[in-house]
Amino acid sequence: AQSVTQPDIHITVSEGASLELRCNYSYGATPYLFWYVQSPGQGLQLLLKYFSGDTLVQGIKGFEAEFKRSQSSFNLRKPSVHWSDAAEYFCAVDDYSSASKIIFGSGTRLSIRP
Amino acid sequence: EAGVTQFPSHSVIEKGQTVTLRCDPISGHDNLYWYRRVMGKEIKFLLHFVKESKQDESGMPNNRFLAERTGGTYSTLKVQPAELEDSGVYFCASSPSGTGELFFGEGSRLTVL
Repeated sequence: AQSVTQPDIHITVSEGASLELRCNYSYGATPYLFWYVQSPGQGLQLLLKYFSGDTLVQGIKGFEAEFKRSQSSFNLRKPSVHWSDAAEYFCAVDDYSSASKIIFGSGTRLSIRP
Repeated sequence: EAGVTQFPSHSVIEKGQTVTLRCDPISGHDNLYWYRRVMGKEIKFLLHFVKESKQDESGMPNNRFLAERTGGTYSTLKVQPAELEDSGVYFCASSPSGTGELFFGEGSRLTVL
């Protein structure tokens, strides 16, 4: 069965520091990949997505992610975090083999140290 | 353009009672999804509507859960009777056909005592 693993439950970084959130997927073919963010009191918002083509994708709010087929990874990065980036981040894969059903990882909570 | 709206934002009920959650998708979005997150675990798929038809309901936990989307507009998710393990946040999402990108509501938090 397809699955998404986010090995880090909680990460704390200092404001201005770089960030990398890890995501690994298990899927037979190249899936559609997503990163969503949930800020406190809000719904999930799409940060970026990978369908095909360039393996480095740019998203909103200065985030980027790189698809590495050999490592089955789709890690999220940001060169310099802001206090407003404190939120929970979810990696997801589109199980398009069964009518576009997105499968989510368990999430990584990001805290920002002033 | 209005986003996906969910009601209520929080519901507290006792075991055995009934709760109905409502989702209004973005206008024109044929695809509507329900997801659930229990106790900080992963967000799990419940079911998928295309217009008024259930495309995939493989994630529905059991027959205590009933989802409807009459007329292909808003959807309701009824839990009857509710059990303690049903507590969690229920998310609704919608998307235009075929894009794979979901637009989520803020979620309905259900607490069963």
